[in-house]
Amino acid sequence: AQKITQTQPGMFVQEKEAVTLDCTYDTSDPSYGLFWYKQPSSGEMIFLIYQGSYDQQNATEGRYSLNFQKARKSANLVISASQLGDSAMYFCAMREVYNNNDMRFGAGTRLTVKP
Amino acid sequence: EPEVTQTPSHQVTQMGQEVILRCVPISNHLYFYWYRQILGQKVEFLVSFYNNEISEKSEIFDDQFSVERPDGSNFTLKIRSTKLEDSAMYFCASSEEGRASYEQYFGPGTRLTVT
Repeated sequence: AQKITQTQPGMFVQEKEAVTLDCTYDTSDPSYGLFWYKQPSSGEMIFLIYQGSYDQQNATEGRYSLNFQKARKSANLVISASQLGDSAMYFCAMREVYNNNDMRFGAGTRLTVKP
Repeated sequence: EPEVTQTPSHQVTQMGQEVILRCVPISNHLYFYWYRQILGQKVEFLVSFYNNEISEKSEIFDDQFSVERPDGSNFTLKIRSTKLEDSAMYFCASSEEGRASYEQYFGPGTRLTVT
């Protein structure tokens, strides 16, 4: 069963504007972690931000913030003030406590920042 | 900042040959993982490794695959008899702990091309 769903295969945003990348997940585990990774064209996976299922506040890391809506099982990534260097693939991923050895990834969203 | 390293960055091999992909996880990490990413697709979990044994593996990780921690620093993935469909980017990752709240640090990947 698909655990992580990213419905936007591609997104465009104008430089300096904000963009939201969608992620929904499916789990029956009461405790889990949600992650976002950036994969530039060079191929490496760069950790961006983490949200725990019991965290009361939305996670923020610099220009990245996570809009966590637990009841809706969504964990959207918001990038503020987009930069040209933000153009990359973005993957949402989840680890569950009772299945916690692996990280399940979504299909990814390709973000292109236009000058 | 400590990082996961992988060698080689690119490996080309003929179908039926054995390949060994090497990884050096972050030194104080205890959990190790292999993932693969077929070109243009999402990242898929292969195997996790803890305390010198496999703790979980996916359906992709069949008898052709094996992992080993031959010494205190290296973590290897062996494909016994490569197939064309094994062509992918292989990522090694490590984590300080296995709990869901701990991020996995990814290496830069090894691109495997099977001809």
